[in-house]
Amino acid sequence: QQQVKQSPQSLIVQKGGISIINCAYENTAFDYFPWYQQFPGKGPALLIAIRPDVSEKKEGRFTISFNKSAKQFSLHIMDSQPGDSATYFCAASKGGNNRKLIWGLGTSLAVNP
Amino acid sequence: DTAVSQTPKYLVTQMGNDKSIKCEQNLGHDTMYWYKQDSKKFLKIMFSYNNKELIINETVPNRFSPKSPDKAHLNLHINSLELGDSAVYFCASSNGQGYNEQFFGPGTRLTVL
Repeated sequence: QQQVKQSPQSLIVQKGGISIINCAYENTAFDYFPWYQQFPGKGPALLIAIRPDVSEKKEGRFTISFNKSAKQFSLHIMDSQPGDSATYFCAASKGGNNRKLIWGLGTSLAVNP
Repeated sequence: DTAVSQTPKYLVTQMGNDKSIKCEQNLGHDTMYWYKQDSKKFLKIMFSYNNKELIINETVPNRFSPKSPDKAHLNLHINSLELGDSAVYFCASSNGQGYNEQFFGPGTRLTVL
């Protein structure tokens, strides 16, 4: 089963708007939640990440909001730009040996000019 | 300088053939990964090596065999290729297995005819 559920599958936003992508997880042992951005023909690249000891992390126009009790985290892209058009993946991992990322299915974001 | 490089970028081959994909990282990382990304963009971890030792081996057909000659290289050999093996294969590396960013290569698009 999908341990990290990501929605929506695709998203269209007007330039200057706010893009919001949501992820939910089941395993309370997860303690690291990164977001990766992938442009067509490229490999994914880390965008921003959060640990559960904070409820929000902001880097420029990108913000992660984290709700530990609801087991949800989301990516907000403020003032969305056409250059933000990409596929976004949330992921989660837990401590211990052989740590591996559990990936969401991805969200294809298109920002219209 | 490319941080994580893969060769070849494209690979077109017939069913039943054997092929290899090579990966090299010059970041000094001790952990390397192979991912498979299907046509729906789903990212699936296949293998992970830490200091040349296999630490993650997901449910992957044994036709797939990774080899890590040293910390900077992780190759993937695929025997008896099948149509379902068609995908983009990404190599990635990280410094340790903890809360560390994974750096992805540009991907190898494998097409099995």
